[in-house]
Amino acid sequence: DSGVTQTPKHLITATGQRVTLRCSPRSGDLSVYWYQQSLDQGLQFLIQYYNGEERAKGNILERFSAQQFPDLHSELNLSSLELGDSALYFCASSVEGQGLEAFFGQGTRLTVV
Amino acid sequence: DAKTTQPPSMDCAEGRAANLPCNHSTISGNEYVYWYRQIHSQGPQYIIHGLKNNETNEMASLIITEDRKSSTLILPHATLRDTAVYYCIVRVQTGNQFYFGTGTSLTVIP
Repeated sequence: DSGVTQTPKHLITATGQRVTLRCSPRSGDLSVYWYQQSLDQGLQFLIQYYNGEERAKGNILERFSAQQFPDLHSELNLSSLELGDSALYFCASSVEGQGLEAFFGQGTRLTVV
Repeated sequence: DAKTTQPPSMDCAEGRAANLPCNHSTISGNEYVYWYRQIHSQGPQYIIHGLKNNETNEMASLIITEDRKSSTLILPHATLRDTAVYYCIVRVQTGNQFYFGTGTSLTVIP
């Protein structure tokens, strides 16, 4: 158990809909990372937050957004969903912004039908 | 961050040492070598990291060549539970994210 909690574990939704994925980092970790893993793309970095502020952006679509709240949990919002958004979404956390070790949650499997 | 090259797949007999190679010929002096593994769609798991010296922990050993252009992750006594995709990642310590390549799919054979 990495200490990072992601909910829900599975999510099935229709195209065009909007969903919110939630991540609770390890106790004391200030930094949260979001990754997307689809079959043909591998693990792709989406975005990082550190202590409530956006720190780095990767290959995140404009239809996607994220935020980190004062209690340090984070949410990833995916809107206008397309079939191609079906993937595993992982959240990771680390103590500092630089993250020598990042601890990953078990992921949310999103299926868009 | 420097690019890494890993073989796509490897097999290892249970109980034997698994040696997973990684090439990172463009690595810079301030870049670390990290290893993570992912077991069947679970979240990636940190294994070990190093800069110049060889490192060992309870999971594995990391051997980095003197010129730092390549490294080897060693699982000393592979078990079936070590079957996973292993990712070699090179990044600066102050980097903001980990870039995962395609990794090596290790299969431990009974």
